[in-house]
Amino acid sequence: AAGVIQSPRHLIKEKRETATLKCYPIPRHDTVYWYQQGPGQDPQFLISFYEKMQSDKGSIPDRFSAQQFSDYHSELNMSSLELGDSALYFCASSLGRGAVSNEQFFGPGTRLTVL
Amino acid sequence: AQKVTQAQTEISVVEKEDVTLDCVYETRDTTYYLFWYKQPPSGELVFLIRRNSFDEQNEISGRYSWNFQKSTSSFNFTITASQVVDSAVYFCALEGQGFSFIFGKGTRLLVKP
Repeated sequence: AAGVIQSPRHLIKEKRETATLKCYPIPRHDTVYWYQQGPGQDPQFLISFYEKMQSDKGSIPDRFSAQQFSDYHSELNMSSLELGDSALYFCASSLGRGAVSNEQFFGPGTRLTVL
Repeated sequence: AQKVTQAQTEISVVEKEDVTLDCVYETRDTTYYLFWYKQPPSGELVFLIRRNSFDEQNEISGRYSWNFQKSTSSFNFTITASQVVDSAVYFCALEGQGFSFIFGKGTRLLVKP
């Protein structure tokens, strides 16, 4: 079965550079979530989209932005990168936002290293 | 406020021992979902179980079992006859407001041969 695809899987950037992470949800899934997991930390919710509209916002820095496109894929844009942005970034997708139907499927993650 | 607490930071056992990972949650919602994920050294999050708040039946899947008790707001996870391949970080999570996940801090399980 198709899973959530994230690209790239690994990314190395310098401080103050920008980075774009991409997430391709499972076909027919209309909801995308982004999480950030720092070294030795638990995943922290950043932002989510439902039907191409932002649906919830967590601890996402102002330097980050994200959007969901017409084909439901999502991109997380990160500017003015800092050393502390080095983390594993997970994308998850689900079908619908109702509690009954929401089962989130996680992608393999993108490991971002900021030097 | 919603919160997930995994009090055990790290557990070390010898192969074939049984081990229980604790998870205590806080929520004011009457309908909610609880999850367990395994994160091996490779980093991906492996889904183990999803439980809704109305289903307090314990579940067994092979060597894995889960004990959900609403009275104590706990959703504990037991691995029977642990194996080296069970070594990983295990996260308990609660589906929070906006349907994002609130994760516990994780429990690192080390199974020694």
